[in-house]
Amino acid sequence: QKEVEQDPGPLSVPEGAIVSLNCTYSNSAFQYFMWYRQYSRKGPELLMYTYSSGNKEDGRFTAQVDKSSKYISLFIRDSQPSDSATYLCAMKRSGGSNYKLTFGKGTLLTVNP
Amino acid sequence: NAGVTQTPKFQVLKTGQSMTLQCAQDMNHNSMYWYRQDPGMGLRLIYYSASEGTTDKGEVPNGYNVSRLNKREFSLRLESAAPSQTSVYFCASSAIYFAGTSGRLDTQYFGPGTRLTVL
Repeated sequence: QKEVEQDPGPLSVPEGAIVSLNCTYSNSAFQYFMWYRQYSRKGPELLMYTYSSGNKEDGRFTAQVDKSSKYISLFIRDSQPSDSATYLCAMKRSGGSNYKLTFGKGTLLTVNP
Repeated sequence: NAGVTQTPKFQVLKTGQSMTLQCAQDMNHNSMYWYRQDPGMGLRLIYYSASEGTTDKGEVPNGYNVSRLNKREFSLRLESAAPSQTSVYFCASSAIYFAGTSGRLDTQYFGPGTRLTVL
């Protein structure tokens, strides 16, 4: 079983839809959870991060972490064509000198006007 | 602030040729990373440098070497390129900071990437 699983999509939605992106993981040591957005032919950019369980909201974006189920989600409300990108989840263990992130393979999202 | 910069943006090599990918950051970050991104494989860590003077292998280090030249610069070298090294290469940097109840965070900032083709 891979440490992080992410449905690659592609996911196509109409403008204004609510989008749900998800990742599951197997390593219970993960404490930090991040979502990166990557536009075509660009580098990933950090969108949101969450420490441990709970929700975090930033504008139209909400990140949720359910550690009991080893499941994280990113919700996008009122989706816009400019949200069309690949979304990568990433996770990290806590403590010590552990700097490494473990990434999902990414979900390609297209928002149609 | 340029953030993380990478050169070159594109490169075509023949099998057996060597080259060095350059990366620099102006954010005073301690840690730097090299990833490769392939279709269906996601981002995979090649090497990282937790601080100036140290380097460590990541998930897929074979065929690569790195040099942490100073705090700003981290280069990736392919000594004898192979078609399997055709990929998009990303450099990233990060700094650890304390963020209240969120604990200790280590967010990585990525460069624009180098598209490498090995024929």
